[in-house]
Amino acid sequence: ETVMTHSPATLSVSPGERATLSCRASQGVSTNLAWYQRKPGQAPRLLIYGASTRATGVPARFSGSGSGTEFTLTISSLQSEDFAVYFCQQYNNWPWTFGQGTKVEIK
Amino acid sequence: QVQLQQSGPGLVKPSQTLSLTCAISGDSVSSNSATWNWVRQSPSRGLEWLGRTYYRSKWSYDYALSVQSRISIIPDTSKNLFSLQLNFVTPEDTAVYYCGRARSGLFDPWGQGTLVTVSS
Repeated sequence: ETVMTHSPATLSVSPGERATLSCRASQGVSTNLAWYQRKPGQAPRLLIYGASTRATGVPARFSGSGSGTEFTLTISSLQSEDFAVYFCQQYNNWPWTFGQGTKVEIK
Repeated sequence: QVQLQQSGPGLVKPSQTLSLTCAISGDSVSSNSATWNWVRQSPSRGLEWLGRTYYRSKWSYDYALSVQSRISIIPDTSKNLFSLQLNFVTPEDTAVYYCGRARSGLFDPWGQGTLVTVSS
């Protein structure tokens, strides 16, 4: 199965700063890559699909890029509500697989 | 707006059956464009897709190889929900369990998550 690997595991960022998160696939997934946000006690939320398309209602400060095996999620200016875990998912190769996630914490 | 509401016990004894339900509002478990999934998150195994059910003129089921011999996902059209049953649980099955609707591979929405601890 396709293994999804995040880096870094934890990212410490100050509010207002830029955050760059990476996700790598063990084999090519084209642009069939999604990003989700998970906060404690809440349902995960779809942020990005098709590697770069924002889901409905997602602020423009979230952007995604990449194709093949290397993907990036960028949060241009971190807001207080953005401190959470972000994980990627590939839906190109069956079975679908998820990464462990990157925790974005307040510096 | 589609919502998924999970319910079920948070503590299960080893060798017993873990049972969770996911009630659907705003969509139908019999939808021809959705699949209904269970995923779990644990520190040791990360985020792991467990299985799914879906209706395309008949009911179909797919399960992860890691749990294939112990898992059932059961749709209930009368109550518009789907259930997870995981048999013969061990402490390794301790995790946060999520249900989720997937369309074209994308999970949206998810349930709120249920922490299930396997312990005597």
